[in-house]
Amino acid sequence: AAGVIQSPRHLIKEKRETATLKCYPIPRHDTVYWYQQGPGQDPQFLISFYEKMQSDKGSIPDRFSAQQFSDYHSELNMSSLELGDSALYFCASSPRNERNTIYFGEGSWLTVV
Amino acid sequence: ILNVEQSPQSLHVQEGDSTNFTCSFPSSNFYALHWYRWETAKSPEALFVMTLNGDEKKKGRISATLNTKEGYSYLYIKGSQPEDSATYLCAFSTDSWGKLQFGAGTQVVVTP
Repeated sequence: AAGVIQSPRHLIKEKRETATLKCYPIPRHDTVYWYQQGPGQDPQFLISFYEKMQSDKGSIPDRFSAQQFSDYHSELNMSSLELGDSALYFCASSPRNERNTIYFGEGSWLTVV
Repeated sequence: ILNVEQSPQSLHVQEGDSTNFTCSFPSSNFYALHWYRWETAKSPEALFVMTLNGDEKKKGRISATLNTKEGYSYLYIKGSQPEDSATYLCAFSTDSWGKLQFGAGTQVVVTP
């Protein structure tokens, strides 16, 4: 069965650079979530989108922005990268009729050096 | 309790033994409790979503119970196998929109 696809899987950036992570939800899933898991930390909710509109916002820095496109894929843009942004970024999706069932991607590892 | 807490942080189990571990969560504003199984370099796999007090769910040798009044859930693994080795995450939500608050996970290592 199709899963949530994230790209790239690994990314290395320097401080002050910009990074973009992409997420392709499971087909017919209309809601996308982004989570950040720093080293030794719990996954933290960043932001979510429903039908291309932001539906909820968590502890997302102002340097980060995200959007969901017409094909339901989502991109997380991170600018002025800091060492503390090094983390595993998970994307997840859920279907309209079962929004409480959330499927996660494998995550994108971002390392800021 | 304000956060989701899981205990123990890790445990080692002999193959064939049964084990269980705990997730504690805020008992107010409860909507759902999620359990995930997460192997390194793979996506967290959804095991259970529980919403009702007293819910019991089972998937093969793994089962879970839920007590929303006191704010805890137990996950049980019966007859542990090496393939059960993983980190088990629980997450709590306060609404149907899927914003999850995660615990730190319980890392289970099953040795042959």
